[in-house]
Amino acid sequence: NAGVTQTPKFQVLKTGQSMTLQCAQDMNHEYMSWYRQDPGMGLRLIHYSVGAGITDQGEVPNGYNVSRSTTEDFPLRLLSAAPSQTSVYFCASSTLGRGLGSYEQYFGPGTRLTVT
Amino acid sequence: EDQVTQSPEALRLQEGESSSLNCSYTVSGLRGLFWYRQDPGKGPEFLFTLYSAGEEKEKERLKATLTKKESFLHITAPKPEDSATYLCAVNAGSARQLTFGSGTQLTVLP
Repeated sequence: NAGVTQTPKFQVLKTGQSMTLQCAQDMNHEYMSWYRQDPGMGLRLIHYSVGAGITDQGEVPNGYNVSRSTTEDFPLRLLSAAPSQTSVYFCASSTLGRGLGSYEQYFGPGTRLTVT
Repeated sequence: EDQVTQSPEALRLQEGESSSLNCSYTVSGLRGLFWYRQDPGKGPEFLFTLYSAGEEKEKERLKATLTKKESFLHITAPKPEDSATYLCAVNAGSARQLTFGSGTQLTVLP
């Protein structure tokens, strides 16, 4: 299994440009999520999905869109990039299991995005 | 609002010098507490899940413990390859979202 994969690894954008960060997992996980990591602030949740066709907002959703058309893929779209979106972006996935159990999330290698 | 605080922010140890990292949390209805290791330029790597106070988990030189207010990651006789940032996260309430602390950067000197 490849686990969670992300592309690209690095990206430089100009203010106002749009782009899509790709995320795919081959573990048949229902739950997928996007985080951004900034120095001194830890990982913050942007959007998440509990299955194909179902998405919801996390802590910092503004400026980002997501969709989930398949179990495997969960792309993150930046509609009009801003310097404040310079960050490292991580995609993660997890099984939902049954009942109220809490399950570990597996992370991809990240995309380092710079907006100038 | 769920809060997770990790201390210290940075820790330097000599090889073989045991120590502990702290993760204190304020949540309503803890469902799980997670420890991750993150190497520079890489994604977080899962280490442990703890579900209830009194629970302990071990893996090689690492041991994680949980109380009602905090978790400790004990590192016994660390080696330079244990150098990394260690992240703590909690899952609370009915949702699956994780709330992360800002991490402890551990450096083990040979």
